[in-house]
Amino acid sequence: GAGVSQSPSNKVTEKGKDVELRCDPISGHTALYWYRQSLGQGLEFLIYFQGNSAPDKSGLPSDRFSAERTGGSVSTLTIQRTQQEDSAVYLCASSSLGGGLAGVTETQYFGPGTRLLVL
Amino acid sequence: SQKIEQNSEALNIQEGKTATLTCNYTNYSPAYLQWYRQDPGRGPVFLLLIRENEKEKRKERLKVTFDTTLKQSLFHITASQPADSATYLCALRGGFKTIFGAGTRLFVKA
Repeated sequence: GAGVSQSPSNKVTEKGKDVELRCDPISGHTALYWYRQSLGQGLEFLIYFQGNSAPDKSGLPSDRFSAERTGGSVSTLTIQRTQQEDSAVYLCASSSLGGGLAGVTETQYFGPGTRLLVL
Repeated sequence: SQKIEQNSEALNIQEGKTATLTCNYTNYSPAYLQWYRQDPGRGPVFLLLIRENEKEKRKERLKVTFDTTLKQSLFHITASQPADSATYLCALRGGFKTIFGAGTRLFVKA
């Protein structure tokens, strides 16, 4: 079916406000990833879900960032009390595999991203 | 420390020539390495995967090499076209997650 979708595509907010970013992965994909990409920078890993649990949250920059996944499908990334340095493109990716299984390769399928601007 | 490095300078080439992009890594022993393409305003799109026991992989005009001794992968686009202009990211498996390089911007001039 459809690829990975993300909403909103663009979000402008004021410093101090909370924002929620949504990701709809490809149907049936058990692994879901959130990344952040600042202008001219590489992809910064934020969090990885396998099903509804998050075995790796090591990339979340601070406790203002949280994410959840429900029903093994949709995921929401929440940023509380946004700061200007949070401005970036937030990308979501999904795959049918994950977790570093030996001998198994994984291809990630990315959404178009949400462009967040904190004023 | 673990690093994955791509040339941060943009690569400008003439249409019809071969583009060669480099990915170097340190302190990883990846089972495989991948190349993705990213167009402005879009998410990355998977292109090719090469395993540690493979020296070379081809797909149409694309060719990837993987030298685990040098800890380097080269990505070639032959007979380049203006439509090949994009940012190309290399990625490798580090533990339980995929680590992406910052990418190299390629411009192909008509």
